[in-house]
Amino acid sequence: GNSVTQMEGPVTLSEEAFLTINCTYTATGYPSLFWYVQYPGEGLQLLLKATKADDKGSNKGFEATYRKETTSFHLEKGSVQVSDSAVYFCALSETQGGSEKLVFGKGTKLTVNP
Amino acid sequence: DSGVTQTPKHLITATGQRVTLRCSPRSGDLSVYWYQQSLDQGLQFLIQYYNGEERAKGNILERFSAQQFPDLHSELNLSSLELGDSALYFCASSVLPLGSGLPEAFFGQGTRLTVV
Repeated sequence: GNSVTQMEGPVTLSEEAFLTINCTYTATGYPSLFWYVQYPGEGLQLLLKATKADDKGSNKGFEATYRKETTSFHLEKGSVQVSDSAVYFCALSETQGGSEKLVFGKGTKLTVNP
Repeated sequence: DSGVTQTPKHLITATGQRVTLRCSPRSGDLSVYWYQQSLDQGLQFLIQYYNGEERAKGNILERFSAQQFPDLHSELNLSSLELGDSALYFCASSVLPLGSGLPEAFFGQGTRLTVV
């Protein structure tokens, strides 16, 4: 089946550092790709998405580009803040029985220190 | 606030017991998804309902069952609980089943189940 692999955490950065969280996927067809964020004690929130190759999703200073040739969707932010500390999940959409569901990576915990 | 409400927030129970987790989707959302989040398995899709009918099934154990009621709320029933069932259980909802155009799925805050 389809799967998502994202870099192992935890990742610890200083404020204003550059962030990259790698995500690669294995899928048949052309899934949509997502990054979700989970702040402490909360549910998952959609951070950004891309629905086709070469699309760039962006939100709150985060960006990710759908790269079909490398089957990747790496998350980047130029200057992280303490408030970005959270767990980040890469996900793809998978079609099953006429319906689609999300397949998640294992998550990468980011801690940003002041 | 995502608009998805899950109750209870925390649940502690003994092995062998049965519990029911409840999810109220966002107003107007017809589709509900259940996910299990554990440290070793990550986020695992369990089951999906759309307008009262089961649409997709994932890695859901036979001891687990779910349903979606006419008012669109959903319940996940976990029985003969084992220590390994301790996890965070998330519910998500979307307007339609996720398909082309892929409407966003909104997640609740989860129910943390601890089996002792």
